[in-house]
Amino acid sequence: AQKVTQAQTEISVVEKEDVTLDCVYETRDTTYYLFWYKQPPSGELVFLIRRNSFDEQNEISGRYSWNFQKSTSSFNFTITASQVVDSAVYFCALSEAGSGGSQGNLIFGKGTKLSVKP
Amino acid sequence: NAGVTQTPKFQVLKTGQSMTLQCAQDMNHNSMYWYRQDPGMGLRLIYYSASEGTTDKGEVPNGYNVSRLNKREFSLRLESAAPSQTSVYFCASKRLALLADTQYFGPGTRLTVL
Repeated sequence: AQKVTQAQTEISVVEKEDVTLDCVYETRDTTYYLFWYKQPPSGELVFLIRRNSFDEQNEISGRYSWNFQKSTSSFNFTITASQVVDSAVYFCALSEAGSGGSQGNLIFGKGTKLSVKP
Repeated sequence: NAGVTQTPKFQVLKTGQSMTLQCAQDMNHNSMYWYRQDPGMGLRLIYYSASEGTTDKGEVPNGYNVSRLNKREFSLRLESAAPSQTSVYFCASKRLALLADTQYFGPGTRLTVL
């Protein structure tokens, strides 16, 4: 069965600290996609990144970076020099292989709430 | 482009009442989804529509019905609301029902059933 685990329920850091959000997934498929979404206090879900199972290069976008390791089935998200505006719930998701219309349905982790204090 | 829109933003119902949550997208996407979000549970899929004319059950379909009205619109109906349906409901869409495609979400509807 496919599953996404975000073991950290809540994390609290002080501004300018680096923070890593963990995501561990389970799947038997060889082709799959992983996603990260951000949910700020306003409530909307914002897409951050998509990564396919064949690309293990780290991704960096400004202060955000993602480390994908197939050997440990992990897709971790690091925020460097955190800011108050980074306070949000972050969700990791796995794209379900499925068949027909269910292909690409997302399986979400339960989310990690990040609080960045000034 | 407005992206994915949902109405209403907030709703309070009494047990047993019915209502329909509306969702529309203007991105010419083929696939649409309804999720519910409960504290500590992440997002769980209620129903989805891989393409116009098709709908299928997700993980938690009981107590809900859906209608894919046309390519743009996908509605979620609660026939007889129960307190267990108090939740935040999100609609999402994506171009095609493929592994690689990204889902984009609406702003959500916060529903309280008393």
